[in-house]
Amino acid sequence: AQKITQTQPGMFVQEKEAVTLDCTYDTSDPSYGLFWYKQPSSGEMIFLIYQGSYDQQNATEGRYSLNFQKARKSANLVISASQLGDSAMYFCAMREGTRYSGSARQLTFGSGTQLTVLP
Amino acid sequence: NAGVTQTPKFQVLKTGQSMTLQCAQDMNHNSMYWYRQDPGMGLRLIYYSASEGTTDKGEVPNGYNVSRLNKREFSLRLESAAPSQTSVYFCASSDLMTSSYNSPLHFGNGTRLTVT
Repeated sequence: AQKITQTQPGMFVQEKEAVTLDCTYDTSDPSYGLFWYKQPSSGEMIFLIYQGSYDQQNATEGRYSLNFQKARKSANLVISASQLGDSAMYFCAMREGTRYSGSARQLTFGSGTQLTVLP
Repeated sequence: NAGVTQTPKFQVLKTGQSMTLQCAQDMNHNSMYWYRQDPGMGLRLIYYSASEGTTDKGEVPNGYNVSRLNKREFSLRLESAAPSQTSVYFCASSDLMTSSYNSPLHFGNGTRLTVT
């Protein structure tokens, strides 16, 4: 079964508007972390933001925020005031388990959402 | 600040040829990983090494071998390349042992491999 689901293969947004990229996850482990990465057309993977399962507040990093709804098992990325440079593929990923368990070594990725920012 | 360095950047192989993808990190991380990226499938874990001297299979290990040469270096070997191994390969590292649970993966720039 898919552990990370990103249902939007492609998204368009006007420059300066906000956009939400969806991510749902599936785990029975009470301890987990959720990550978002950006992959521009040049190909590198850039870490954006992290949310832990026990974190009480939604994570924020500059223009990026994570809308974490634990009961719904969703961890949507919100990009405020979109810029042309935000055009990229965005991946949601999850790490399960405690720090010292084998599964904690692995980051499982979704299939990604291609975001295009329109001028 | 090099971070994670992968070589080569591009490679074309014929079916049945072998090659080794090299990866080195200078961040003193304990854990290292090899992922492959295919269109529409995100990144899938091939092998990982939690610490020097240990390696474990990930989701798609068939057709690959790895070596954790030392703390810095983690190589991926294709013994007999197949067209199904055409992909972009990423090496990554993370400091799970000593830092907090939220340690992200730091990625290299990838190797684009084509097997004809």
